[in-house]
Amino acid sequence: LAKTTQPISMDSYEGQEVNITCSHNNIATNDYITWYQQFPSQGPRFIIQGYKTKVTNEVASLFIPADRKSSTLSLPRVSLSDTAVYYCLVDKAAGNKLTFGGGTRVLVKP
Amino acid sequence: NAGVTQTPKFQVLKTGQSMTLQCAQDMNHNSMYWYRQDPGMGLRLIYYSASEGTTDKGEVPNGYNVSRLNKREFSLRLESAAPSQTSVYFCASSGFDGPASEQFFGPGTRLTVL
Repeated sequence: LAKTTQPISMDSYEGQEVNITCSHNNIATNDYITWYQQFPSQGPRFIIQGYKTKVTNEVASLFIPADRKSSTLSLPRVSLSDTAVYYCLVDKAAGNKLTFGGGTRVLVKP
Repeated sequence: NAGVTQTPKFQVLKTGQSMTLQCAQDMNHNSMYWYRQDPGMGLRLIYYSASEGTTDKGEVPNGYNVSRLNKREFSLRLESAAPSQTSVYFCASSGFDGPASEQFFGPGTRLTVL
């Protein structure tokens, strides 16, 4: 299974941009990169997914360099409600068996 | 739509007792999953069902059994609970079992085994 490495925690302030970088050195050709968000006492929630270059939706952007060995989740202008754990996953082409690492705990301060 | 629902929300068991965790989805999804999450850890896949009528082991299947009752329902059974199974259990579903298929998670069941 593809292993991902991401920072354990990050602090930020309201209104700032938060960038979380994840490394996935052994990503396979057909794998996707997926990010989930989890609030305390809730199940994870899908944020964004990409294969290469840049993907943007209403809540985040995902930047993937050409070699695809890393990716960066960008959360623009965070608010207190963005305090959560963010998981970077490699979505295997051979079946949707998500492997969750420890995630990055993001704390947004006022 | 309720999405993914799980029952019960909380459960306390004694070692050796058995119980079944229930999960249902109303999104007409083909694939369903059971995960466990230990404190401060990421989720680990226990079992999954790619489609109705099929089930497969995930990363940590020992001590568990599953039943895909129909397209909507996927249950997880602990035959003889052990303290090591104290965890939060999440059920999830997706449209299909493959990449780029978003998984939708339920609210979880908090299980304590004494």
